[in-house]
Amino acid sequence: DAMVIQNPRYQVTQFGKPVTLSCSQTLNHNVMYWYQQKSSQAPKLLFHYYDKDFNNEADTPDNFQSRRPNTSFCFLDIRSPGLGDAAMYLCATSLGQGTEAFFGQGTRLTVV
Amino acid sequence: DAKTTQPTSMDCAEGRAANLPCNHSTISGNEYVYWYRQIHSQGPQYIIHGLKNNETNEMASLIITEDRKSSTLILPHATLRDTAVYYCIVRVARALVGTGFQKLVFGTGTRLLVSP
Repeated sequence: DAMVIQNPRYQVTQFGKPVTLSCSQTLNHNVMYWYQQKSSQAPKLLFHYYDKDFNNEADTPDNFQSRRPNTSFCFLDIRSPGLGDAAMYLCATSLGQGTEAFFGQGTRLTVV
Repeated sequence: DAKTTQPTSMDCAEGRAANLPCNHSTISGNEYVYWYRQIHSQGPQYIIHGLKNNETNEMASLIITEDRKSSTLILPHATLRDTAVYYCIVRVARALVGTGFQKLVFGTGTRLLVSP
């Protein structure tokens, strides 16, 4: 059974139209991560939540925001998607820091 | 996180052992070596981790040199489904108080192609 679930698997959005990607987990892990992965590149960390504490990477554009209303759910909001934001977006969870992370299947975002 | 160096790509024949090397010459005493893999169009998958002793699980074996400056992930009998990008990452497993959050940062990885 999937433990980290991302919906949808594929998302098409229009240039400049806000889009939200969702992630849910059944593991009750306190840490949730969002990564961006462009074609043929390694996943790049955008931000993470440690419980309710939000931690943004220094080079994450302001266009990317996140919400975590409860332990199980985390959302990635892209306020004004550009063509350069087309990528696979990966959600992951871990129990505390330093433990192994569990990844979802990702959402592939296309911007048209 | 300490930096790691991995070959860009490797080939392996199906049924043979795949040995994936990783250099981590600046690893600190409290940093573990983690391996993840990513099969095409899927999320990364945890494989194994270790500190200084060799480790084995149902997926793979991890051999860490005595000086801990390098390690090798071994897939004993590679199958076509093992074709993936393999990432070697070093990070603290149990962060010490005041050392800050230990992020999971991916390097470029090794693209392993298993052929019939």
